[in-house]
Amino acid sequence: SQKIEQNSEALNIQEGKTATLTCNYTNYSPAYLQWYRQDPGRGPVFLLLIRENEKEKRKERLKVTFDTTLKQSLFHITASQPADSATYLCALDKGNYGQNFVFGPGTRLSVLP
Amino acid sequence: DAGVIQSPRHEVTEMGQEVTLRCKPISGHNSLFWYRQTMMRGLELLIYFNNNVPIDDSGMPEDRFSAKMPNASFSTLKIQPSEPRDSAVYFCASSQRGGGSNEQFFGPGTRLTVL
Repeated sequence: SQKIEQNSEALNIQEGKTATLTCNYTNYSPAYLQWYRQDPGRGPVFLLLIRENEKEKRKERLKVTFDTTLKQSLFHITASQPADSATYLCALDKGNYGQNFVFGPGTRLSVLP
Repeated sequence: DAGVIQSPRHEVTEMGQEVTLRCKPISGHNSLFWYRQTMMRGLELLIYFNNNVPIDDSGMPEDRFSAKMPNASFSTLKIQPSEPRDSAVYFCASSQRGGGSNEQFFGPGTRLTVL
């Protein structure tokens, strides 16, 4: 059956460290993978997209990798700050030119000062 | 730009009542999505439209759910009759198909409670 898993429900790290979140999937063949941030009481906010032919994408302190052999994406936040505390969701496209995305359960990140 | 606008922000109703959720997408976007989010099931796609036409409604849980998009600036999600298990946060999102990143812009959501 098809499944998307994100490493843990919650992750606590110390300010200044690098946070690494994982997204693993089974029985999907996505052409795209996206990462979103969601704060309590708000809708998700898009952060990054990576395509199947891209190994790595960076945006400021964020880095995403995509390994289609391992069926895994890693999401890194370097020099983490308390303001980075939020839930992070990965999303895979199910086809149709990337219009239909399925979301993972999310990882709640807490960056401790 | 005001972003995606949803109304109402909160809705409390009794089982059996009709509920209508409303969404105004970002001007110029040609795709609109309705999602439902619960603790148990996470964020689920219910239906999406391209150029006001429903493309995939396979996520709509039952015939009690229906969605319309009469024009490019307005969409509704209706539940009739509502049941307690429909309690969730409903998000509307819009995007520009072919925009490269396929970034979806989410509204603030409608928190629905069915008693």
